[in-house]
Amino acid sequence: QQPVQSPQAVILREGEDAVINCSSSKALYSVHWYRQKHGEAPVFLMILLKGGEQKGHDKISASFNEKKQQSSLYLTASQLSYSGTYFCGTEIGENNDMRFGAGTRLTVKP
Amino acid sequence: SQTIHQWPATLVQPVGSPLSLECTVEGTSNPNLYWYRQAAGRGLQLLFYSVGIGQISSEVPQNLSASRPQDRQFILSSKKLLLSDSGFYLCAWSEPQGRTGELFFGEGSRLTVL
Repeated sequence: QQPVQSPQAVILREGEDAVINCSSSKALYSVHWYRQKHGEAPVFLMILLKGGEQKGHDKISASFNEKKQQSSLYLTASQLSYSGTYFCGTEIGENNDMRFGAGTRLTVKP
Repeated sequence: SQTIHQWPATLVQPVGSPLSLECTVEGTSNPNLYWYRQAAGRGLQLLFYSVGIGQISSEVPQNLSASRPQDRQFILSSKKLLLSDSGFYLCAWSEPQGRTGELFFGEGSRLTVL
């Protein structure tokens, strides 16, 4: 029931774009995206609930496909502050049992 | 406003010793509560979650246990620690069932078992 996340790691230069994918073998109730800085707790980025939904703020956005089995996180014109590990968290039902992918380590270099 | 407190922040324990990590939430009622473990450089593994007092769902049947003695208190325990129990333990809460929302994480407890 754990979602599959890819890629495992990404290295970017400032200003470049990145896409992180999260997929499930079952239709999802929701998808959450979090970012974790080294040694800190994860911080919430956004949640998607509806098939076909797209959401974003600033230069970070996400989509949820129609079948609700795949979500992607888009980071455009990356900044140094975007560095960290990104996790997708998924719920299959309304049981609130949030499970996370293995994470994608994003490194943005000057 | 809601806050979450988790302690201790850091601990070093010998193999075979007991463990108790405590988490409390303030400013909300009947939250969903979670314990996650993160091994070094790895993802977040769901250990336990609770939707109410005395209701604990276990994902990992090993030597860990969880209890929720009060509405906003969640405790992670072990009678005998293993080397593999080392990691970063995170407590989290979310709004009660039916209102899907973000997880709010505590600051974490870093456990080293020697």
